[in-house]
Amino acid sequence: EAGVTQFPSHSVIEKGQTVTLRCDPISGHDNLYWYRRVMGKEIKFLLHFVKESKQDESGMPNNRFLAERTGGTYSTLKVQPAELEDSGVYFCASSQDIGRNEQFFGPGTRLTVL
Amino acid sequence: GQSLEQPSEVTAVEGAIVQINCTYQTSGFYGLSWYQQHDGGAPTFLSYNALDGLEETGRFSSFLSRSDSYGYLLLQELQMKDSASYFCAVPLYNQGGKLIFGQGTELSVKP
Repeated sequence: EAGVTQFPSHSVIEKGQTVTLRCDPISGHDNLYWYRRVMGKEIKFLLHFVKESKQDESGMPNNRFLAERTGGTYSTLKVQPAELEDSGVYFCASSQDIGRNEQFFGPGTRLTVL
Repeated sequence: GQSLEQPSEVTAVEGAIVQINCTYQTSGFYGLSWYQQHDGGAPTFLSYNALDGLEETGRFSSFLSRSDSYGYLLLQELQMKDSASYFCAVPLYNQGGKLIFGQGTELSVKP
């Protein structure tokens, strides 16, 4: 069984540019989460999809961030326009059921905004 | 607010035992999870404690005390490959299962 994959693994962009991150969850996992870790700090929740529906986007920093999960499969997270403080590692995780204790994480996308 | 506190770094030698503590303050507590992350890799699930007490899985054990809002991860017979970051996390099942994480403890195992 393939794990959670994320693309790209690294992205370096300039302030004001747009970047789109992609996450492919484990097949059959309805729940998809996005998290972010800013250097040295905790991993913070951004949002949660159940299939194609946004269940909780309370962690999204502002309206420069837009997440989609069309068709309930892969998800994208777009940052437009990027700011310096958006730098960090963006993780995606999936789980089959909310009540499952384990979330399966991808390796993350390291975003650097210059 | 929701917060989990854990030491930022711990150093130990091969073969030793190390304990990583985590205290939490969250609304809606169901249990405490632990995740391991090697440098540049994906966080991977280690354990989950819903009930008080110690749970053992091989060289790793995890403990929870609900009355003290405290838990720990115990790593025995340390190996070099155990060098990694360890995160305690609380899954909020009343909020879609999202995880609230501590800041992570970087464990360095020396020869």
